[in-house]
Amino acid sequence: NAGVMQNPRHLVRRRGQEARLRCSPMKGHSHVYWYRQLPEEGLKFMVYLQKENIIDESGMPKERFSAEFPKEGPSILRIQQVVRGDSAAYFCASSQTVPGGPTEAFFGQGTRLTVV
Amino acid sequence: KQEVTQIPAALSVPEGENLVLNCSFTDSAIYNLQWFRQDPGKGLTSLLLIQSSQREQTSGRLNASLDKSSGRSTLYIAASQPGDSATYLCADSMNRDDKIIFGKGTRLHILP
Repeated sequence: NAGVMQNPRHLVRRRGQEARLRCSPMKGHSHVYWYRQLPEEGLKFMVYLQKENIIDESGMPKERFSAEFPKEGPSILRIQQVVRGDSAAYFCASSQTVPGGPTEAFFGQGTRLTVV
Repeated sequence: KQEVTQIPAALSVPEGENLVLNCSFTDSAIYNLQWFRQDPGKGLTSLLLIQSSQREQTSGRLNASLDKSSGRSTLYIAASQPGDSATYLCADSMNRDDKIIFGKGTRLHILP
C-alpha cells in the first residue's frame, strides 16, 4: 500500500493561472479530505469528499476553488485565477469508514503551491 | 462549533526527559481523537488514535490519554530523544462521517 499520494509536490504558478492538485487515496479508502496550511499556522479544513459526492465543503472559499473525487481516478483540488494569497501547503488525507469503528485519517506529503 | 487548542505553542526540553503535550476541545461529544507528528516541510504522520469509548492508547514511548468529560487529551512522550523534535498536532472529529478539526500544534524541540 503506497499510502496517500499527492502530486505535484511543488507547484509554481503565475498570478491568474490555474492550479490543479491531485490526490490518490490509500487503496480501499473512499473518503478524501483537503486541508490548507499557511506558514506558522495550523491546518485549515477545506473540503471532505466521498467518491462522486461532496460531504462537507464548509471550508472552501466561495470563489475560484473547487474539488472533485470522481468514480475513477484521483481527487482534484482546482484553484482558478490564483493570487499570491493562495500560496500555501495543501494536504490531502484519506480514510476508510468502518461501521462502528474509528475513522483514522492518513495524510499525503502535501503540495506546496507558490504563486509568483 | 468545535475548537481544538494546544498549549504551549512551543516547548524545549533536554534529551531524556519525559514530557506531556496538552490538547483541549470545546465540545466533548467527539467521535475520536488523533495525534499526528509533522516534520518541517513534510506531511503528517499518524501517531495514535483514540476512540471516544477509550481512555488511552500506547505506542512505544508514546501514550495518549483522553478525558472526554473535561475536554482534554494528553500526549506523553517518555525518555525524549532529539529525533522527537517536530510539531505535534491534535485533531478530532465529531462523528464517523465528519471532518477532522486540528489544533495549531505544539512545536517540540529536544535539546541534545
